[in-house]
Amino acid sequence: GQSLEQPSEVTAVEGAIVQINCTYQTSGFYGLSWYQQHDGGAPTFLSYNALDGLEETGRFSSFLSRSDSYGYLLLQELQMKDSASYFCAVSGAGNTPLVFGKGTRLSVIA
Amino acid sequence: KAGVTQTPRYLIKTRGQQVTLSCSPISGHRSVSWYQQTPGQGLQFLFEYFSETQRNKGNFPGRFSGRQFSNSRSEMNVSTLELGDSALYLCASSEDNEQFFGPGTRLTVL
Repeated sequence: GQSLEQPSEVTAVEGAIVQINCTYQTSGFYGLSWYQQHDGGAPTFLSYNALDGLEETGRFSSFLSRSDSYGYLLLQELQMKDSASYFCAVSGAGNTPLVFGKGTRLSVIA
Repeated sequence: KAGVTQTPRYLIKTRGQQVTLSCSPISGHRSVSWYQQTPGQGLQFLFEYFSETQRNKGNFPGRFSGRQFSNSRSEMNVSTLELGDSALYLCASSEDNEQFFGPGTRLTVL
């Protein structure tokens, strides 16, 4: 089976940096994705890592360590609009479906 | 390209009834996945269809079913509704390693 662990809530100050961790257990791992979901909205894709290392896209970066079954999403220069839920998801080999974590609710405060 | 659309957006049903939800994927996408989202439970995978065939199925009772048509549009059906079926039902079409979500159907069972 597959399982993912991520913190349920994180609070950070506007302008700061926050890291949201995700550890996973899976029988077959292919990649780690991150999705953002604002209240009342649909999840939107942020990033995908299949190889170890850091991927940067603007203020957001995502990291993966396959040997540690661990990844994180790094948000820099936090803005109030970054307040949302963030989900990590693992994909397996072949056509296995994405498995999502339960999400981390990020609150950005002034 | 137009995004993923879902109808209806909101639905209120009573226990024992059945419901059909519809999803139109992004043009050209052949894979459609369905998820159930409830507070604190993240996104739980229901099933995935690809070229009119169910490719993957999550751990939900047989009351939950779906299908996909030749134009890639998909429907999911829930029969004999229970109070616990109240949730946001999301569909997503995918390309490469990214899933594109629709706005969801908010189902309330009374």
